[in-house]
Amino acid sequence: SQQGEEDPQALSIQEGENATMNCSYKTSINNLQWYRQNSGRGLVHLILIRSNEREKHSGRLRVTLDTSKKSSSLLITASRAADTASYFCATDAGSGGSNYKLTFGKGTLLTVNP
Amino acid sequence: DAGITQSPRHKVTETGTPVTLRCHQTENHRYMYWYRQDPGHGLRLIHYSYGVKDTDKGEVSDGYSVSRSKTEDFLLTLESATSSQTSVYFCAINRRGQGRTEAFFGQGTRLTVV
Repeated sequence: SQQGEEDPQALSIQEGENATMNCSYKTSINNLQWYRQNSGRGLVHLILIRSNEREKHSGRLRVTLDTSKKSSSLLITASRAADTASYFCATDAGSGGSNYKLTFGKGTLLTVNP
Repeated sequence: DAGITQSPRHKVTETGTPVTLRCHQTENHRYMYWYRQDPGHGLRLIHYSYGVKDTDKGEVSDGYSVSRSKTEDFLLTLESATSSQTSVYFCAINRRGQGRTEAFFGQGTRLTVV
């Protein structure tokens, strides 16, 4: 079964508002990553947060990680129409060596209306 | 795009025929992955490779085989295509250097089995 589950499945907001997406996972992880996918394109890495970190920022992105609750959130501030995309969390729970693989959730479709 | 090329980009094939998808990378990365993406399921790992001739199964490997005879090429084969294998297939590499890092994706192959 998939490791990460995003919530909500879909989110529609107005330009300038903040967008928050959540991700829950099931097992211990080494790190958690967020990706973005524009329609018909491949996924693009946004930000990575390690298991010993609680918060990380990158531009308009803010990611939090709560390992006790096995959850993460992605906040996009001052959203723009160009932020319209699907957003996925991915977890790295490998034990090292050959066992390195990312497990993705089902994604949140974000629509930012002009 | 981390030098990842998937071919073909689109393919329509008949049920029962064999199909091979190719992923080619130009940066000599050790880890390569095949995912499929379906509505409501997000991305699911089919197979991955951690070196030449070193491969392992993902969560949805039934009906698929892979081969990696050269570092730069990772082939995904559907031995006898079924309609349930209609999907968008993504290849990814991991730039794993001194620590775990993010995945980079190809543009995807849209496969339709009729």
